[in-house]
Amino acid sequence: GEDVEQSLFLSVREGDSSVINCTYTDSSSTYLYWYKQEPGAGLQLLTYIFSNMDMKQDQRLTVLLNKKDKHLSLRIADTQTGDSAIYFCAERNSNDYKLSFGAGTTVTVRA
Amino acid sequence: NAGVTQTPKFQVLKTGQSMTLQCAQDMNHNSMYWYRQDPGMGLRLIYYSASEGTTDKGEVPNGYNVSRLNKREFSLRLESAAPSQTSVYFCASSENLYGSGSDEQFFGPGTRLTVL
Repeated sequence: GEDVEQSLFLSVREGDSSVINCTYTDSSSTYLYWYKQEPGAGLQLLTYIFSNMDMKQDQRLTVLLNKKDKHLSLRIADTQTGDSAIYFCAERNSNDYKLSFGAGTTVTVRA
Repeated sequence: NAGVTQTPKFQVLKTGQSMTLQCAQDMNHNSMYWYRQDPGMGLRLIYYSASEGTTDKGEVPNGYNVSRLNKREFSLRLESAAPSQTSVYFCASSENLYGSGSDEQFFGPGTRLTVL
């Protein structure tokens, strides 16, 4: 399957911005997603971006896509304690049903 | 609207025992999926069902069987559990298999399974 890589841990102070990075190898990726998993819960879709876009903003969330470098990032502005969770990057191409997930980045927000 | 529900939430099995994980969705979705989540790894697809009456293997199907009982329900069976199947299992559903990018998969809360 396609490889999706993320750093495993991120610690950030409350009120600062968090940036979570992801790289993928499939050049035909069409859709790129960020999911959030809170403790004891399933995954929840946060946002997604099409590969023909380079940026998407949704309230405190900004997604940046560098298609040339196959690099995706999620920026969370004004990080709150409720943002502590595992964040998964995922991708798929338009001809496939299968989502390929990264291992997840555990974000810890400290006071 | 409960979304995707899974039972049980936790289960401990001995090697060789069998069990069935249950999943149901109330969103009238056509497609359903079973994933496993292991530490340091992303979710891996075990089996999926594109629509009622069909099931297909995903990335890691060995040791598992599935049944799409009706449009709402999709169960995962371990016939003879092994320690390597210790994992967190997630069921998910989506409107269609080949959706547009905005078609999301909705996930259940997971079943934490330990095989001793």
